[in-house]
Amino acid sequence: DSQMTQTPSSLSASVGDTVTLTCRTSQTIFDFLNWYQQKPGQAPKLLIFAASNLAPGVPSRFTGTGSATDFTLTISSLQPDDFATYFCQQTYTSPPTFGQGTRVDI
Amino acid sequence: QVQLKESGPGLVKPSQSLSLSCSVSGHSISRGGYYWSWIRQLPGKGLEWIGYIYYSGETFYNPTLKSRVTISDEKSKNQFFLKLASVTATDTAVYYCARVEVGHATPFDYWGQGLLVTVSS
Repeated sequence: DSQMTQTPSSLSASVGDTVTLTCRTSQTIFDFLNWYQQKPGQAPKLLIFAASNLAPGVPSRFTGTGSATDFTLTISSLQPDDFATYFCQQTYTSPPTFGQGTRVDI
Repeated sequence: QVQLKESGPGLVKPSQSLSLSCSVSGHSISRGGYYWSWIRQLPGKGLEWIGYIYYSGETFYNPTLKSRVTISDEKSKNQFFLKLASVTATDTAVYYCARVEVGHATPFDYWGQGLLVTVSS
């Protein structure tokens, strides 16, 4: 399985800040990397697919970059609605695997 | 709008089987092009893909769970199902059903709300 490592595991930020979350994989996955947002008691919501493509309806303050083994999710001008946990997921190898998540707190 | 909803018992005894249903609306599971998936989230931990089923009946399972998992469907009811045998406390989790488009890099685009299943005597 392709191992996914997300850093940091949690971070604290303020409304208006820009934050960068990192996802590193144990083997190259090209750009087969997706990002999800999860709020307490809710299912994950797709934010970005194929490393850098915004899912429909997702605000442009979310940006995904990276390829091969290193990926980032940048959230610009944090909004109150953005405080959540973010997961990365690879779909290059089977089984698809997820990172352990980064929690973004106020 | 595609919607998925899990249902089933919230409490299962150890060594018994966990059986869940996922009801789909807004999309026929009889159409090709999508896999219908089960994913679970262990308490305080990350997400684990369990497996999925295609409209043809073909199934794909996570090797770590393959010996205990069966995914099936009932197209006439637009539902698909998860059965996990011989459960233990480590199978306590929130179980989600989700849709994923067939393809190499496709994400899980629609998810159910999730169902907490506790394994306890």
